[in-house]
Amino acid sequence: GAVVSQHPSWVICKSGTSVKIECRSLDFQATTMFWYRQFPKQSLMLMATSNEGSKATYEQGVEKDKFLINHASLTLSTLTVTSAHPEDSSFYICSAYALAPAYEQYFGPGTRLTVT
Amino acid sequence: GEDVEQSLFLSVREGDSSVINCTYTDSSSTYLYWYKQEPGAGLQLLTYIFSNMDMKQDQRLTVLLNKKDKHLSLRIADTQTGDSAIYFCAEKSAGNTPLVFGKGTRLSVIA
Repeated sequence: GAVVSQHPSWVICKSGTSVKIECRSLDFQATTMFWYRQFPKQSLMLMATSNEGSKATYEQGVEKDKFLINHASLTLSTLTVTSAHPEDSSFYICSAYALAPAYEQYFGPGTRLTVT
Repeated sequence: GEDVEQSLFLSVREGDSSVINCTYTDSSSTYLYWYKQEPGAGLQLLTYIFSNMDMKQDQRLTVLLNKKDKHLSLRIADTQTGDSAIYFCAEKSAGNTPLVFGKGTRLSVIA
């Protein structure tokens, strides 16, 4: 089946630094990827929709200058949290939309970011 | 906008059946999903149902859809301690639109 990986699986960084999270579709091409954020004991909140070769579409209330998304190829999207602060600490999950092998949205395992 | 609602907690005894309920508002929902999330882990797709179906069964899992009432349920037969997790209901209309998730139901299984 389709597999989506994320790297790193967890990261601890100091306040003010930037962190890059990678999302890869391992055995399929993904023209569209989604980035979600999940706070403890809460649901997934869609942050942005990333389309290969074009600018990401951000949901209302998500700062595009803070959460930089790049979808440079059909198998890789990156989320960079710039000038991270403790309130950015969260679980970030990406998903990739596959037309093949099935018309499905596949999720990565998530990246836990802790900003100290 | 679309909204998906779930009860937050459910506690059952091992061996009993669990029923997790979900309601949604988007009448154009085409695909409805159930995901499982264990502590510290990502989402695992359990099952899904198309809006033109009423029921789908897969081993211990039974999904019921009442499209008129926009109500979806997940029944887990013979619930085990390993079923303890958060269960998310999600829906999408069509195409490559993103999933809209409920807040999740925390299932606790008592041995």
